[in-house]
Amino acid sequence: GENVEQHPSTLSVQEGDSAVIKCTYSDSASNYFPWYKQELGKGPQLIIDIRSNVGEKKDQRIAVTLNKTAKHFSLHITETQPEDSAVYFCAASKGRGVDEKLTFGTGTRLTIIP
Amino acid sequence: DAGVIQSPRHEVTEMGQEVTLRCKPISGHNSLFWYRQTMMRGLELLIYFNNNVPIDDSGMPEDRFSAKMPNASFSTLKIQPSEPRDSAVYFCASSPGLFATNEKLFFGSGTQLSVL
Repeated sequence: GENVEQHPSTLSVQEGDSAVIKCTYSDSASNYFPWYKQELGKGPQLIIDIRSNVGEKKDQRIAVTLNKTAKHFSLHITETQPEDSAVYFCAASKGRGVDEKLTFGTGTRLTIIP
Repeated sequence: DAGVIQSPRHEVTEMGQEVTLRCKPISGHNSLFWYRQTMMRGLELLIYFNNNVPIDDSGMPEDRFSAKMPNASFSTLKIQPSEPRDSAVYFCASSPGLFATNEKLFFGSGTQLSVL
């Protein structure tokens, strides 16, 4: 089955700086890669996703890049703000289908230092 | 929309007792998921339903765990008997896709379960 590894497990950055979280996946058939943000006391929330036919996707201060050859994808947050402090999870799956499941990474706790 | 609604938010029980967690998915969503989150194991998929039918329950840890979805607006996860190692946060999530169950999951706020 799919295995998703996520690094680093914790990350602290100064407010205004950029943060990068990296994930690798094992199954070359995976083609859907979402990122979820979990704030304290809440459930994870989808913030951005990318499919394997796209190398990069951007939404305001958040961007995700995908390298299919190397089987890794990354989340980039620019101009970080205190409200970006949360746990971030990457995930992978083989795309559309009733039988397809998401495999989550172990999470990265991001702390923005004011 | 109120989002995915889970109850209770917190549950404290004694070992051996039956625990029932409840979930109301977002109206119109076709898939429902039960996840368990712990520090050691992260987010684990326990079971998921599509169109009220269980699709994959391979993540259910033991026969002590069972889940039902009697209709499109309600699901339960039951643990009987409960054990201290079941202590975790249990999340319910729903997604809109009928044929793409793994996309755009909406999570509830979770149930913090403590088994003493």
